Amino acid sequence: GESVGLHLPTLSVQEGDNSIINCAYSNSASDYFIWYKQESGKGPQFIIDIRSNMDKRQGQRVTVLLNKTVKHLSLQIAATQPGDSAVYFCAENYGANSKLTFGKGITLSVRP
Amino acid sequence: DAGITQSPRHKVTETGTPVTLRCHQTENHRYMYWYRQDPGHGLRLIHYSYGVKDTDKGEVSDGYSVSRSKTEDFLLTLESATSSQTSVYFCAISEAGGNGYTFGSGTRLTVV
Repeated sequence: GESVGLHLPTLSVQEGDNSIINCAYSNSASDYFIWYKQESGKGPQFIIDIRSNMDKRQGQRVTVLLNKTVKHLSLQIAATQPGDSAVYFCAENYGANSKLTFGKGITLSVRP
Repeated sequence: DAGITQSPRHKVTETGTPVTLRCHQTENHRYMYWYRQDPGHGLRLIHYSYGVKDTDKGEVSDGYSVSRSKTEDFLLTLESATSSQTSVYFCAISEAGGNGYTFGSGTRLTVV
């Protein structure tokens, strides 16, 4: 598949451990944030989102934390599995009818 | 992928030839986007559409044109392909601008 992971920072974790993927966003006025997962050869897939009026949101095995004070977004994956190996992107948006701005991505590598 | 199809999936073309990529959706979403993805650059917006016959440029629009004559189809045309346009192209759709996008599976274009 496409080597989108080239030149990206890599996070390596042991299978079963928890993973934390961090993202610094650029616009202090952004009010909507999304995490995407992209496996090799596939398009990005939605994982979880959060609005700026929340600090935390949980999904199945994933949690997103938002710290607006320092413009920081994180994705926590519990009990990381080999299938979680992928490139992860954060995206931010400000206002209706605007476009998402994507971060460059982080490669998550899960060691068996 | 959730009612969005890109064609072709792979294409090799010669420098100087015109190329058209197609994005087809069955979700009746208003917004459609074309991105290119290159190692080290993440997802970069080429053009987007906010309705039939309503399109606008993104950050890397030079050398590309788009058309949207009906809700379900968004075409990306490279008028005269260059080697710098070798990339993976993703289409995305959104029900409302600024909300989460659903991505297609991508088109890998190689210009030789």
